[in-house]
Amino acid sequence: DGGITQSPKYLFRKEGQNVTLSCEQNLNHDAMYWYRQDPGQGLRLIYYSQIVNDFQKGDIAEGYSVSREKKESFPLTVTSAQKNPTAFYLCASNVGWGQPQHFGDGTRLSIL
Amino acid sequence: GQQVMQIPQYQHVQEGEDFTTYCNSSTTLSNIQWYKQRPGGHPVFLIQLVKSGEVKKQKRLTFQFGEAKKNSSLHITATQTTDVGTYFCAGPKGSGNTGKLIFGQGTTLQVKP
Repeated sequence: DGGITQSPKYLFRKEGQNVTLSCEQNLNHDAMYWYRQDPGQGLRLIYYSQIVNDFQKGDIAEGYSVSREKKESFPLTVTSAQKNPTAFYLCASNVGWGQPQHFGDGTRLSIL
Repeated sequence: GQQVMQIPQYQHVQEGEDFTTYCNSSTTLSNIQWYKQRPGGHPVFLIQLVKSGEVKKQKRLTFQFGEAKKNSSLHITATQTTDVGTYFCAGPKGSGNTGKLIFGQGTTLQVKP
C-alpha cells in the first residue's frame, strides 16, 4: 500500500538536544510538507519541499531544519533553538499545486 | 496576510441532529478542500471543490463552495458518533505554484449518543 510513514510515534527531547523526526513516502509525490499542530489548533506550516535538494521555509521555521536528499524522504530536525517544541508533528505530501495532501500518522514530541 | 477562518470552533450535538461548519477566506480561492481528523489521528482528505457555487454530497455530508469562491460549508445530516472529530477546510496558499495549503483552525464536533 502506498502511503506516508512517520517515525517515531512518540519522542522525548532533553534540554539542549536536537532530535530528528523521520518522514518517508512511497507515493512518488514531488512535494512534501511539515506541519506543527498544537492542542485545539489548526496546522501551521514549518517547511516544505517541491523537489529534491530544494526546500523553503514555512510560517514557523525558526528552530527547525530539514533536508531533501531523496524524493522519498523529508526528515525534520527540531533543534535546541526551538524553545517550545512540545506538539504533534505531521508530515504530508502531494503531487503539486492545489492537490489534496496525504498525511502520515504523526509524531508527538514532548520535553523531558 | 491571507487567512482562512472557520466557525464555530466547537460544536456539541445530540446524535441524530444536524451539524454545519462554515469556512471563510480573506482571498478568492481556486479550490477548497475539506479534511477530517479523528481524535488522536491525522487529517484525512474528504473532498475538493473547484467550481463557483459547486455542491457535492458524500452520503450524509454536503459540501458547498460559495459563488464568490471565498467561502464554503460542510453540512452533516443526522449526525452519528462516527462523525466525531475535527473538520478542517483548506485552500491554496499564496499565488505561486507551490502546492502549499492554508488551513482553517478547524471545527471540533462532539456527538452525544
